[in-house]
Parts: sequence; structure tokens; C-alpha cells
Amino acid sequence: SYVLTQPPSVSVAPGRTARITCGGNNIGSKTVHWYQQRPGQAPVLVVHDDSDRPSGIPERFSGSNSGNTATLTISRVEAGDEADYYCQVWDSYSDHVLFGGGTKLTVL
Amino acid sequence: QLQLQESGPGLVKPSETLSLTCTVSGGSMQRSNYYWAWIRQPPGKGLEWIGSIYYSGGTYYNPSLKSRLTISIDTSKNQFSLKLTSVTAADTAMFYCATDRAAVTGTPGDFDYWGQGTLAIVSS
Repeated sequence: SYVLTQPPSVSVAPGRTARITCGGNNIGSKTVHWYQQRPGQAPVLVVHDDSDRPSGIPERFSGSNSGNTATLTISRVEAGDEADYYCQVWDSYSDHVLFGGGTKLTVL
Repeated sequence: QLQLQESGPGLVKPSETLSLTCTVSGGSMQRSNYYWAWIRQPPGKGLEWIGSIYYSGGTYYNPSLKSRLTISIDTSKNQFSLKLTSVTAADTAMFYCATDRAAVTGTPGDFDYWGQGTLAIVSS
């Protein structure tokens, strides 16, 4: 079955750029969505369709998807960006929505 | 703007059926071009999609839960529901309902509005 692989944790200093990866076999052929989940809160969609931002999401959040890796990039990281981030795809072979295991972003 | 609110018993006994309801406000489920989804998250773990339903009743289910799962919709009440049978401790989780843009994108996923979640604990 299809597997999405995310690093368990990423650390970044305030004001720097964070990159969170999501690996999968030929994931570039799939559409990737990204969610932010702050502690004790419901997830929030931050990037959809690989690189589009929903209304209200800062331009600091961007996405890309090519080959075997999709990437969520957060520029000018702020303390409020500290959260768990999940990638998600639809796997047409198994008719299954799949989430990555999640990446905890720590702002130093 | 759509708002979603989950409700249901917080405690269910092993082998029994877990029933949850999501009430939608701020728009008509029938006139919104959305599927309606359930997603769960065991304590301290990641997200798992359960299934999605359209206002017409069409569904997508997680294959690993399909044999125990029923998702239904009542557009007159602006609600949709989940029933999961034969629950075990492994089904203990925070359950979220969400909007699913499957009607626009053609495939489930892309959950843009979420409820706050309801915790369901399976224990005797």
C-alpha cells in the first residue's frame, strides 16, 4: 500500500525558513494537501492542491510537489507556527485518503 | 462560513457501536458542493480518514474500516452521522467532522472546514 513518509521533527529559529518534506513513490503524480495542527486544536488546511493557499493563510506558507517529494515551506517562521504538520493524498489504487505520520515543528 | 459541531457519547463499551453526529450550520448541506467527512486521531497519534459522504448518499469509506462502518446523511436536519460497530480500545480517538472538496476535485481529501472534535473512549 502507498506510504507517506514525514520526518518526525523539524527545528528552526524564528525568522528563518522551515521546510517539511513528505515522501512517497512518485508523489509528484498525486495532489498533496497540508494541514497545521496546534496543540489541543483541530487541524487547519494551510496548502491545498500542492501549492494553493486557502483564504486567510499567510503567504509565508507555500508548497511544492515533484518526483518523490512534496515540500511545505514556511518562510519567516514565527513562534505561532509551532505545531504538527500533516501531508495528505488520495491513493487511487486503494481508494483511500492517506495522511503522513506528521512532523512536529519546533521554533527555537 | 460553514461551522461543524460533533456530538455523541464520550464513553462506549467494547464490542458495542459508536454513534456520532455532526451538525452543520452556516449553509445548506444539500446546496453546498461538498462531501462531508469523518477523520479520527488516537491520543498522541496522527490523523486517519474514516470516510466521506455526499448529500445524495454516495460514500467513500476507508477500506480498513469498511466492514464496521456506516456513514449516513440527513439533509433536512443538516446533519451527517457515523456508526462504527464492534469497537475496541484501538478505536479510542478524537473524532472530527470536516468538509471534503471531493465534489469539486473528483477525489476525497482537501478538508477545509473542521469541527472542534469529540473524544470517544472505548472502555468497560
